[in-house]
Amino acid sequence: AQSVTQLGSHVSVSEGALVLLRCNYSSSVPPYLFWYVQYPNQGLQLLLKYTSAATLVKGINGFEAEFKKSETSFHLTKPSAHMSDAAEYFCAVTRAGTALIFGKGTTLSVSS
Amino acid sequence: DGGITQSPKYLFRKEGQNVTLSCEQNLNHDAMYWYRQDPGQGLRLIYYSQIVNDFQKGDIAEGYSVSREKKESFPLTVTSAQKNPTAFYLCASSIQHLNYGYTFGSGTRLTVV
Repeated sequence: AQSVTQLGSHVSVSEGALVLLRCNYSSSVPPYLFWYVQYPNQGLQLLLKYTSAATLVKGINGFEAEFKKSETSFHLTKPSAHMSDAAEYFCAVTRAGTALIFGKGTTLSVSS
Repeated sequence: DGGITQSPKYLFRKEGQNVTLSCEQNLNHDAMYWYRQDPGQGLRLIYYSQIVNDFQKGDIAEGYSVSREKKESFPLTVTSAQKNPTAFYLCASSIQHLNYGYTFGSGTRLTVV
């Protein structure tokens, strides 16, 4: 069965520092993988997606993620954090082509 | 502009009452979904529908019901059988293939009073 594990429920970085949010997946078939961002009391917004094309995926707001099949990982990175990046981030994987399964989320805090 | 609209944004329910959350989309998407969000638990799938007049239970369907009479609409009813309904509810839609992911509504926060 497909599943997603996000390591670290809370990550804190300083403004200008590297952001690394970890996501590992389990899937018996080639997966589609997604990262979403959520600001307080709002819906989720798509950051980027992997759909079996290039393994390094670039998204909005300077974020990118690399699909590593050997490590079953899809970690999200950004070279330099900005205060506006503070939010909750969710990794998701497709489940048998019917729906998305989401991780429990990682809250990113950015300090000045 | 195309999008997905959830209403109301905030909803209060008394013990023993049924309430219905609205979700409408004008994206011409075939599939629609309902998720429940609780702190620290991520998003959990309640129900989904891939075509009009058809829907399937997700992982936590007990105490909820849905209908899909129109392509644009997928209302969720939280029944009195749902023992812990206080949560943030998110509706989403997608094309059938899922390779573009979901478009989400802005959510409804339900509180039992």
